[in-house]
Amino acid sequence: QKEVEQDPGPLSVPEGAIVSLNCTYSNSAFQYFMWYRQYSRKGPELLMYTYSSGNKEDGRFTAQVDKSSKYISLFIRDSQPSDSATYLCAMTPGTGNKLTFGGGTRVLVKP
Amino acid sequence: ETGVTQTPRHLVMGMTNKKSLKCEQHLGHNAMYWYKQSAKKPLELMFVYNFKEQTENNSVPSRFSPECPNSSHLFLHLHTLQPEDSALYLCASSPSGKGNEQFFGPGTRLTVL
Repeated sequence: QKEVEQDPGPLSVPEGAIVSLNCTYSNSAFQYFMWYRQYSRKGPELLMYTYSSGNKEDGRFTAQVDKSSKYISLFIRDSQPSDSATYLCAMTPGTGNKLTFGGGTRVLVKP
Repeated sequence: ETGVTQTPRHLVMGMTNKKSLKCEQHLGHNAMYWYKQSAKKPLELMFVYNFKEQTENNSVPSRFSPECPNSSHLFLHLHTLQPEDSALYLCASSPSGKGNEQFFGPGTRLTVL
């Protein structure tokens, strides 16, 4: 079993729809959770950074962490074609600087 | 220059060549990383440096040799690579060790013939 599971997609949605992404993990020591966006042939760009359980909102993006279920989510409201990218979740216990990444979900927002 | 920069952006090399990848961060961070990203696989951590000292070597073959002369610069020296080493090599930096978010460069697309 992988330490972090993420559906590879592709996830195709019409413009304006809500994009819902998630990751599950097995290591209960993870406390810091991140979402990265990666456009084709580019490096990952940090979108959201959260600590422990709860919600965090930034513009059209909302990150949720449910540590009891070992489940994190990213929601993108009013999706735009420019949101088409691969979204990577990442997490760490915080006791070092090693991140564990999911495999990424490819998202396609159609005009 | 801002953020994390990497050169070259693209590299094609033969298996007997020696080349180097360069990374520079302009964020004042203390930790730097090398990752390998292959198609349909999660990001693989290769090396971690904290304050110029290597703190992680994730069982990387010796044909990859990192160098960190200071907290702003990181190199990856390549020699006698294999075709399966073809991938996107990403550099990242972070403020310090514990749970801090990492910021990535654009990567070097490496092709080994």
